[in-house]
Amino acid sequence: GENVEQHPSTLSVQEGDSAVIKCTYSDSASNYFPWYKQELGKRPQLIIDIRSNVGEKKDQRIAVTLNKTAKHFSLHITETQPEDSAVYFCAAKWGGSYIPTFGRGTSLIVHP
Amino acid sequence: DGGITQSPKYLFRKEGQNVTLSCEQNLNHDAMYWYRQDPGQGLRLIYYSQIVNDFQKGDIAEGYSVSREKKESFPLTVTSAQKNPTAFYLCASTPGQGNTEAFFGQGTRLTVV
Repeated sequence: GENVEQHPSTLSVQEGDSAVIKCTYSDSASNYFPWYKQELGKRPQLIIDIRSNVGEKKDQRIAVTLNKTAKHFSLHITETQPEDSAVYFCAAKWGGSYIPTFGRGTSLIVHP
Repeated sequence: DGGITQSPKYLFRKEGQNVTLSCEQNLNHDAMYWYRQDPGQGLRLIYYSQIVNDFQKGDIAEGYSVSREKKESFPLTVTSAQKNPTAFYLCASTPGQGNTEAFFGQGTRLTVV
C-alpha cells in the first residue's frame, strides 16, 4: 500500500518568514495530493491540492509543488502570519482507491 | 447546509464500558472513514466503508467496531477491549473513487476516567 512520509514534524518560524513542508510517497500510481490544515481542536480542512498532471499550483500565499519522478511534493507558505499556526497534513491518493494516505503531520508555529 | 457531523464533541467513559461515537453526513458520499488522532501520530485509520452494509478494517481496528446500515451514518463503537481509548476521533467522508477532497467532522474527544 501507499506510504507517505512528512517532514519536519515541527516547524517554528518568525512572522513574515517562509515555511516549507515536504512529503514523499511510495506508490507511483498516486495522482492526487491534497494538503489539510488543522487548527487546535478543530477538524482538518483542505487548503490546496494538486493533481499529477500539474507541477505547481498557487493560491495567494500558499503553493504546492510536485515532482513525480522523485515522488515528493511540498507545501510552501510565504509571508507567514500567526494565524497560519496549525498542524498541516499531506496526503496521497490514486483515482482507483477510496482511501487517502496521510502523512504524520507538521506542527507549524509562527511567532509574532 | 451540507456537511458531516459528529457527536458528542466530548465523551467520558469509565473503564470497562463500551461507547458509541456518532457520525452522520448529508453529502451523499459513498465512502466514510474513522481516524484516531494522538499527539505526534497523525491520522491513523481505524475502519472504512465504501458502501452500505460493507466495511473494512484499517490499520488499528483492534478494540473497535462499526456498522453501515445507512449511507448517511457510520457509527464507531469503542469497546472495552481497546486498551488505550483516550484520543481524538475524526470521521471523514469522500464521494468514493476519484480525486476529491475528504470532508471531516469536527471530532469527538474521548477520555477514559
